[in-house]
Amino acid sequence: DGGITQSPKYLFRKEGQNVTLSCEQNLNHDAMYWYRQDPGQGLRLIYYSQIVNDFQKGDIAEGYSVSREKKESFPLTVTSAQKNPTAFYLCASSINRADTQYFGPGTRLTVL
Amino acid sequence: RKEVEQDPGPFNVPEGATVAFNCTYSNSASQSFFWYRQDCRKEPKLLMSVYSSGNEDGRFTAQLNRASQYISLLIRDSKLSDSATYLCVAYMIKAAGNKLTFGGGTRVLVKP
Repeated sequence: DGGITQSPKYLFRKEGQNVTLSCEQNLNHDAMYWYRQDPGQGLRLIYYSQIVNDFQKGDIAEGYSVSREKKESFPLTVTSAQKNPTAFYLCASSINRADTQYFGPGTRLTVL
Repeated sequence: RKEVEQDPGPFNVPEGATVAFNCTYSNSASQSFFWYRQDCRKEPKLLMSVYSSGNEDGRFTAQLNRASQYISLLIRDSKLSDSATYLCVAYMIKAAGNKLTFGGGTRVLVKP
C-alpha cells in the first residue's frame, strides 16, 4: 500500500531530552513537511524539504531540526531548546510544493 | 490579520440540512486552494481541490470568489458523519517562498 507513516503514535519526553519523530513515505513524493498543531489551532509549518539533502525553515523552526538523507524519510528532532514541545506533530508529503499534501497519522508528543 | 481566516464555529447543523461556510485569504496572488477534513485527534484528509471557479463532489461544493478573496464550502443533505473540522488551505505566492497556508479550521457538528 502506498502511504505515509509516522512513528511512534504517542511519545512522552522528560524535560531536557531530545526526541526524534519518524516520517516515511513510499509515494515517491519529492516534497515533505513537518507541522505542529496545538489544541483548537491550525497547522503551523516547522520545516519542509523539496528534495533530498535540502530543507528549509518554516514559520516555527526554533528548537527543531530535520534531515533529508533519503527521499522516503524526513525525521524531525525536537530538541531541549523547544520550550513548549507538547503538541500533535503531523508529517506530510506532496509531489511538489504547489500540489496536494497527504498527511501521516501524526505523533502526539507530551513533555512530562 | 491572518493570511487564511476561518470562522471557528461550531456550526450546529440538523441532519439533512445544508450548511455553508467561508474562508478568506489575504494574498491575491494565491493560485490554488484546498479543503481538508480533520476528525478529532486524527490527521487532515483531502476533501477537494479548487483550482478555478469551483468544484463539486457529491454533496460537497466549493466555490472560489477571487474578487472578494474567499472560498466557500457547502455541504448538502448533511450526515452525522460529516461532523468534523474543515480546514481551508491556500497556496500562496510570496517573495520569501511559495507555500501552502492553513486556516484555523471550521468545526461542524451535525445533530440528529
